[in-house]
Amino acid sequence: KNQVEQSPQSLIILEGKNCTLQCNYTVSPFSNLRWYKQDTGRGPVSLTIMTFSENTKSNGRYTATLDADTKQSSLHITASQLSDSASYICVVSGLSGGYNKLIFGAGTRLAVHP
Amino acid sequence: NAGVTQTPKFQVLKTGQSMTLQCAQDMNHNSMYWYRQDPGMGLRLIYYSASEGTTDKGEVPNGYNVSRLNKREFSLRLESAAPSQTSVYFCATRHQETQYFGPGTRLLVL
Repeated sequence: KNQVEQSPQSLIILEGKNCTLQCNYTVSPFSNLRWYKQDTGRGPVSLTIMTFSENTKSNGRYTATLDADTKQSSLHITASQLSDSASYICVVSGLSGGYNKLIFGAGTRLAVHP
Repeated sequence: NAGVTQTPKFQVLKTGQSMTLQCAQDMNHNSMYWYRQDPGMGLRLIYYSASEGTTDKGEVPNGYNVSRLNKREFSLRLESAAPSQTSVYFCATRHQETQYFGPGTRLLVL
């Protein structure tokens, strides 16, 4: 069964600290992996997208890694800010029936405290 | 350039009532999607439309219907609302490999 598991479910860190969020998936065949940021009461917004051949991609203070062999991805946030408080969703795209099917993780809820 | 807009933002229904959730986009994207988001679960696809004039079922289509009115608009209809349909509904478009989400409609069915 195609699944995307994220950990931890929730995380609290102090402003200025770094953190790493994890995503494990069993989606096969794999097409690409995306990370989205979802602020409370808003829709998700794309942070990064990585294909099979990419193992790291950065977007400002956000750096995503991908290990396609172990089917794991991480999102590292550097020097956290209060505005980083949000849910972070891992989404894996796999080919199913000839089209890309998106499997969404349940998300990690991050709270950055002053 | 508003992106993806959804109306209403919030709605309360009684069991058995019907309603239509509206979605519009000004990005000229061909593909549009309806998802629901429930606590502790990932977004689940209800219906999608690969292009104007076509619609297809997603993972959880039961109890819903959709209409792709034109390239800009994609509506979701609940004919007879049930408490299990209490959720936050998101409309999205897709361009290349990126999806663009609307702000969501929070629906409560009593």
